[in-house]
Amino acid sequence: DGGITQSPKYLFRKEGQNVTLSCEQNLNHDAMYWYRQDPGQGLRLIYYSQIVNDFQKGDIAEGYSVSREKKESFPLTVTSAQKNPTAFYLCASSTSVQETQYFGPGTRLLVL
Amino acid sequence: AQSVAQPEDQVNVAEGNPLTVKCTYSVSGNPYLFWYVQYPNRGLQFLLKYITGDNLVKGSYGFEAEFNKSQTSFHLKKPSALVSDSALYFCAVRPPGGGGFKTIFGAGTRLFVKA
Repeated sequence: DGGITQSPKYLFRKEGQNVTLSCEQNLNHDAMYWYRQDPGQGLRLIYYSQIVNDFQKGDIAEGYSVSREKKESFPLTVTSAQKNPTAFYLCASSTSVQETQYFGPGTRLLVL
Repeated sequence: AQSVAQPEDQVNVAEGNPLTVKCTYSVSGNPYLFWYVQYPNRGLQFLLKYITGDNLVKGSYGFEAEFNKSQTSFHLKKPSALVSDSALYFCAVRPPGGGGFKTIFGAGTRLFVKA
């Protein structure tokens, strides 16, 4: 899992609640990513960021939001608009968007 | 549409036997190709990648992968499987081009190595 940390390991969300997943990296990577993993579906890109203060939507951005105020941090907020949030969320980073991505240990989000 | 296929949901192999996990892709041009491994409730670990050059790429933990351009395949191999190799394996492809940020992941293949 290298120098990428994600917290918490498990997160529980109540109906109508927004929750934020943390992702921090000490690899000095410019690019960071958020993926959602569901059983049998591989990984789907939610958002990515190439540099600080810039981010772009991926394939399934609806119901999610991100910020990139610092190079080492890329938090993901799962909003109440995301109706099916139960999944395993993975953060990744790379030196640039053209390079190999390295992943954090993941956060499992469950709905109460 | 660009895609990655891992045709086997699960591969079973006896310890000490060679293993192959298959991957084919449908991407125009010359993409970057990757293999990752995931252990239960963990993130993905990078195994190896192919960009250009020799069709046989060597990676971590004794794994290697063979690139075949005509068959658009990038199969993962290991000469002698270990029980500890049991995990979920993902093939990934990044299309070429200046905006090549998007890495397309296969659905994953679960490898089970029996002692």
